[in-house]
Amino acid sequence: AQSVTQPDIHITVSEGASLELRCNYSYGATPYLFWYVQSPGQGLQLLLKYFSGDTLVQGIKGFEAEFKRSQSSFNLRKPSVHWSDAAEYFCAVGALSNDYKLSFGAGTTVTVRA
Amino acid sequence: DAGVTQSPTHLIKTRGQQVTLRCSPKSGHDTVSWYQQALGQGPQFIFQYYEEEERQRGNFPDRFSGHQFPNYSSELNVNALLLGDSALYLCASSLGPWAGGNTDTQYFGPGTRLTVL
Repeated sequence: AQSVTQPDIHITVSEGASLELRCNYSYGATPYLFWYVQSPGQGLQLLLKYFSGDTLVQGIKGFEAEFKRSQSSFNLRKPSVHWSDAAEYFCAVGALSNDYKLSFGAGTTVTVRA
Repeated sequence: DAGVTQSPTHLIKTRGQQVTLRCSPKSGHDTVSWYQQALGQGPQFIFQYYEEEERQRGNFPDRFSGHQFPNYSSELNVNALLLGDSALYLCASSLGPWAGGNTDTQYFGPGTRLTVL
């Protein structure tokens, strides 16, 4: 069964600084990988997704993520953080199979200080 | 273009009661998945409905049941509520069953916050 680990529970970053959120997955076959963002009281919004091809994926709001199969990682990055990026971020994995579900990590809360 | 909508927004129930949550998928979508998100946790998959049938279930007891209607909307029912059922319940929709080979995106609704006292 697939699983996702987000090692960092909480990250604080200064506005304008770079941000990197870690995600490690466990799955025996080719995974589908996603990053979602959730603002307080809101549902999940898709930032980006990886299915195949170029391992560096560009998403919305200036985010990008890199798939590294050898490290089973899919880390999310943003070069310059804005105060509006304060939210909770979830990494998720889906399977290339008849498994219909997404498996989510526990999330990383990002705080942006002025 | 309406996105995924869920009702009600908030709900308070007592232990032992039953609850029904509702979801309307994004326009053009025919598949609905339900997730439970406990406080401080990531969403956990409950089940997925396509063509009015439950396609897959996560590790949830039979107290959790669902239904999909011909217009693709869906209900999640929880019987004999426990304190541990308190959570945000998220509905996600997609075009076609979300499985291998389907590169479509699942779109999530804002959720229903259920509190069990």
